[in-house]
Amino acid sequence: EPEVTQTPSHQVTQMGQEVILRCVPISNHLYFYWYRQILGQKVEFLVSFYNNEISEKSEIFDDQFSVERPDGSNFTLKIRSTKLEDSAMYFCASRRTGLWTEAFFGQGTRLTVV
Amino acid sequence: GQQVMQIPQYQHVQEGEDFTTYCNSSTTLSNIQWYKQRPGGHPVFLIQLVKSGEVKKQKRLTFQFGEAKKNSSLHITATQTTDVGTYFCARTAGGTSYGKLTFGQGTILTVHP
Repeated sequence: EPEVTQTPSHQVTQMGQEVILRCVPISNHLYFYWYRQILGQKVEFLVSFYNNEISEKSEIFDDQFSVERPDGSNFTLKIRSTKLEDSAMYFCASRRTGLWTEAFFGQGTRLTVV
Repeated sequence: GQQVMQIPQYQHVQEGEDFTTYCNSSTTLSNIQWYKQRPGGHPVFLIQLVKSGEVKKQKRLTFQFGEAKKNSSLHITATQTTDVGTYFCARTAGGTSYGKLTFGQGTILTVHP
C-alpha cells in the first residue's frame, strides 16, 4: 500500500539552528500539507501546498517557516531559526484530487529544540 | 468559528465495555472525518461522513453525523485492547482551503484488560 514517508524520524537541534524536514508524498497525490502536534495536544494545520505554491497557511506558519517541492517527489519544511516552542511532532500529509478525499499522514518527524 | 470541540478528553474503560466520543461544531459542517492515532503513531483515516443523519459502520465502530450537520459521534462496541489510542474528528475545508483539516482536541481511550 502506498504511504507517505518522512525523514528523519527524530531531529535534535540547537535553538537558532535551521532544520529541514523531508517528506515524500504518495506519487499520484496533488495536495500536500504539513501539520504539527505538540506533545499531548491536538494536530494543528501549518500549511497546504498545491500546484507548486502555498494555497493556505496558518498563523503558526510565520516567516521562519518555508516549504518547497524541489523535484517531483520531495516536499520539505524548513524552519530557519528554531525556537524552543518549535519542539513538536511534524506530520506531512498528502491527498489525491477530489473534494473531500482522505488525508494520508506520514509517520512524523519528532523535532526537539534544545 | 471553524473549531470543532470534542468530548470527553479522556476515557478509561474495561475491555468489553462500550466507548463513545462526541464532536460538536457551532457552524454547519460540510463533512466530518474521523482519524485514529495509536500511541506514538500518526493519524490514520477511519471514515468520512457527508450526509445529514448519516450512519456508517465498520465492524464494532459506528459513526453518526447529526441531522443538522453540527455534530458527530463515534461509538465502539465491546472495546478491545487494540482500540487504545486517540480518536480525532476533523472538519475539512473546501474551496480555497484545499482540503485543510481542522482537528478536534481528540479523545484518548485507554482499555484495561
